[in-house]
Amino acid sequence: NAGVTQTPKFRILKIGQSMTLQCAQDMNHNYMYWYRQDPGMGLKLIYYSVGAGITDKGEVPNGYNVSRSTTEDFPLRLELAAPSQTSVYFCASRRDPSEKLFFGSGTQLSVL
Amino acid sequence: GNSVTQMEGPVTLSEEAFLTINCTYTATGYPSLFWYVQYPGEGLQLLLKATKADDKGSNKGFEATYRKETTSFHLEKGSVQVSDSAVYFCALANNNAGNMLTFGGGTRLMVKP
Repeated sequence: NAGVTQTPKFRILKIGQSMTLQCAQDMNHNYMYWYRQDPGMGLKLIYYSVGAGITDKGEVPNGYNVSRSTTEDFPLRLELAAPSQTSVYFCASRRDPSEKLFFGSGTQLSVL
Repeated sequence: GNSVTQMEGPVTLSEEAFLTINCTYTATGYPSLFWYVQYPGEGLQLLLKATKADDKGSNKGFEATYRKETTSFHLEKGSVQVSDSAVYFCALANNNAGNMLTFGGGTRLMVKP
């Protein structure tokens, strides 16, 4: 039972580098989300998607981009990494807004 | 806007102790309330939920009651086990906002044998 799979689990970036955090789900969920979790803070929504080809900004989208070319995949792109993007990133999905969220195990990113 | 406030951790208890993790919220309308749990090295998973006032959510010995009058959703368990050690997140979803989840900051629970 794969569920929501995130890669990588850990990454260290230098300031100004770029990278893509991968997220894939095998449950045929339409709704997918990216959150960041800072120490002592709740999860903040970065971007979300309600289906293939449709994406929208969440609460903290600056410095990130997403795409949703397929139902299964929802990658998160950091173009110019900054220390403020040091965080733990979670991808989540659900079939529709009335159902529970399924989370990936997270990506711990440090920007130095 | 919506917000969730929960007690800061870590909370350290001995096995079989009683657990309470406080959670209060601010929201417009009538949100649904949730507790999510994050075990070490894993993603968050839904523990329990309540969708209207006075509802009690329960699962794995944990309970929380939706108190509209005090805007609270405190998590309780009568006898914790070492395996309950995790981070617990209170959250709300507001139908007015597309059921987007707003999370509290999380409370780490450590249970010692």
